[in-house]
Amino acid sequence: DIQMTQSPSSVSASVGDRVTITCRASQGISSWLAWYQQKPGKAPKLLIYAASSLQSGVPSRFSGSGSGTDFTLTISSLQPEDFATYYCQQANSFPGLTFGGGTKVEIK
Amino acid sequence: EVQLVESGGGLVKPGGSLRLSCAASGFTFSSYSMNWVRQAPGKGLEWVSSISSSSSYIYYADSVKGRFTISRDNAKNSLYLQMNSLRAEDTAVYYCARKWFGESYYFDYWGQGTLVTVSS
Repeated sequence: DIQMTQSPSSVSASVGDRVTITCRASQGISSWLAWYQQKPGKAPKLLIYAASSLQSGVPSRFSGSGSGTDFTLTISSLQPEDFATYYCQQANSFPGLTFGGGTKVEIK
Repeated sequence: EVQLVESGGGLVKPGGSLRLSCAASGFTFSSYSMNWVRQAPGKGLEWVSSISSSSSYIYYADSVKGRFTISRDNAKNSLYLQMNSLRAEDTAVYYCARKWFGESYYFDYWGQGTLVTVSS
């Protein structure tokens, strides 16, 4: 299976900050990558697919970039509702879909 | 509005069985591949199983192969997961998730999850 490694595992930030989360694949996955947001006790929500395409209804402060093995999720100006855990997921290898370990965005 | 509602979770002893259900509404269920994804307490997400729209293609994670069976009833807009020979490491919230309409395997809608606890 393709291993997905996220960093950092947690980040403390303030409202208005720019936050960047990285995800690295153990082998090349082209642009077959998604990002999800999960709040405590809730289901994950699809934010970004195909590495950089914004899912309908997701605010434009979220953006994704990268291809091959290295990807980033950027929140341009952190809002109170953005404090959550973020996961990347590779869709290059199916079956055998895998997620990153998650990055928790906490209030500073 | 797309809705996915899981049920059937609970406490079961090691070696026991449980059947999860997912009731779908707000979309043409028979047109979409469906999936189960789980999350152990305090841990990350793990894909468990997928079934194509007509049940022609079924896939499992190695961790559950031979023990879990995914199925669906398009007439009832329902997805199922039969879990046998349960182990402590199967303890998790189990989510029903719809595969995105495109070619790639992303999950665009998720249920609220149902908790399965395997303990003696």
